[in-house]
Amino acid sequence: DQQVKQNSPSLSVQEGRISILNCDYTNSMFDYFLWYKKYPAEGPTFLISISSIKDKNEDGRFTVFLNKSAKHLSLHIVPSQPGDSAVYFCAASGGDNDMRFGAGTRLTVKP
Amino acid sequence: EAGVAQSPRYKIIEKRQSVAFWCNPISGHATLYWYQQILGQGPKLLIQFQNNGVVDDSQLPKDRFSAERLKGVDSTLKIQPAKLEDSAVYLCASSFHPSEETQYFGPGTRLLVL
Repeated sequence: DQQVKQNSPSLSVQEGRISILNCDYTNSMFDYFLWYKKYPAEGPTFLISISSIKDKNEDGRFTVFLNKSAKHLSLHIVPSQPGDSAVYFCAASGGDNDMRFGAGTRLTVKP
Repeated sequence: EAGVAQSPRYKIIEKRQSVAFWCNPISGHATLYWYQQILGQGPKLLIQFQNNGVVDDSQLPKDRFSAERLKGVDSTLKIQPAKLEDSAVYLCASSFHPSEETQYFGPGTRLLVL
């Protein structure tokens, strides 16, 4: 069951511009959301998170926005750098802590 | 601080053979997870341990998959017998506590079943 969806399998942006990665979820019990970044041949690494009591969380160049009514979150990277090129996974969990992942979006930042 | 360790990194076997993966979580992390990531999909939880007890194994195909964490530290995941559709990356993750939402992942074991 696809409770967490990342509808864009890939995204390409120019260095210095904004990257916006989107994620939708269906389970209203989810109350904590995370973004993981994955390089080839490595495991996912935690990037940024947001709880459902907030609508925005910022960490340096990375900002996550949560729209609970639309069951939608997005990750903004500003400015994008070539080293940001990776696969980004959106993840969500509810009270039972069973984390669900989206299929991932491959971001390519061109120099 | 050392991260989550997994071995082997790669494994190629023929269908109906058996295979085992090993994971050593971050020191002090009580919760350990095994995920299966099929190409083009996100990680799917197979089993979650809290110390040496199973918290959730609802998505583990128990007819062929088994996992244990006998001493509450490292863990093994076994597939016996393997099928072609088991070809995937098997990720181990750990967290300090089940209520800690952030999980830390190992590099994964890439399994190819021929």
